[in-house]
Amino acid sequence: DIQMTQSPSSLSASEGDRVTITCRASQNIGSFLDWFQQKPGKAPKLVIFGASSLRAGVPSRFNGSGSGTDFTLTVSSLQPEDLASYYCQQSYSTPYTFGQGTKLEI
Amino acid sequence: QVQLQESGPGLVKPSQTLSLTCSVSGGSISSGSYYWNWIRQPAGKGLEWIGRAHTSGTTTYNSSLKSRVTISVDTSKNQFSLKLSSVTAADTAVYYCARAYYYNRSGGTTFDPWGQGTLVTVSS
Repeated sequence: DIQMTQSPSSLSASEGDRVTITCRASQNIGSFLDWFQQKPGKAPKLVIFGASSLRAGVPSRFNGSGSGTDFTLTVSSLQPEDLASYYCQQSYSTPYTFGQGTKLEI
Repeated sequence: QVQLQESGPGLVKPSQTLSLTCSVSGGSISSGSYYWNWIRQPAGKGLEWIGRAHTSGTTTYNSSLKSRVTISVDTSKNQFSLKLSSVTAADTAVYYCARAYYYNRSGGTTFDPWGQGTLVTVSS
């Protein structure tokens, strides 16, 4: 199975800050990497697919980059509604696997 | 727009079979090249992909659960289901259903949308 490792596990930031979350895959997964946002008590929602494509309706302050084994999710100007946990997930091969999550506190 | 909704018992006894259904609304489960997935999340923990099914009958399961899992699609009811046998307390989790679709010709798929999730507790 492909292991996905996120860092940091938690992150405290202020409104307007630029924050970056990293995700590393245990093997080359090309660009088959997605990012999900999960607010407390809610289901995950797709933010970024294919490593860098923004899902329709997601604010442009979210940006994904990377390929191969190293990926990043950047929020350019943090807003209060961005309080959530963020998970990366590889769709290169089954079993699909997720990172352990990054809890973003504002 | 397509919406998914999980349903099923919230409490299952150890050694019994967990059975959940995901109802699809706003579109036909048979349209397009979609895979229908189950994903779970124990309280306070991360996400685990359980498996997927296609309307063609093709299924793929996580090897960690493969011997206990069955996912099937019922096109007549526009829903798909999960059965997990011989459950233990370790199977207590919020269970999500999700649609996976191809976003490029290279085979990239992504989970969108998700159901709201349903908590299943395994306890006697």
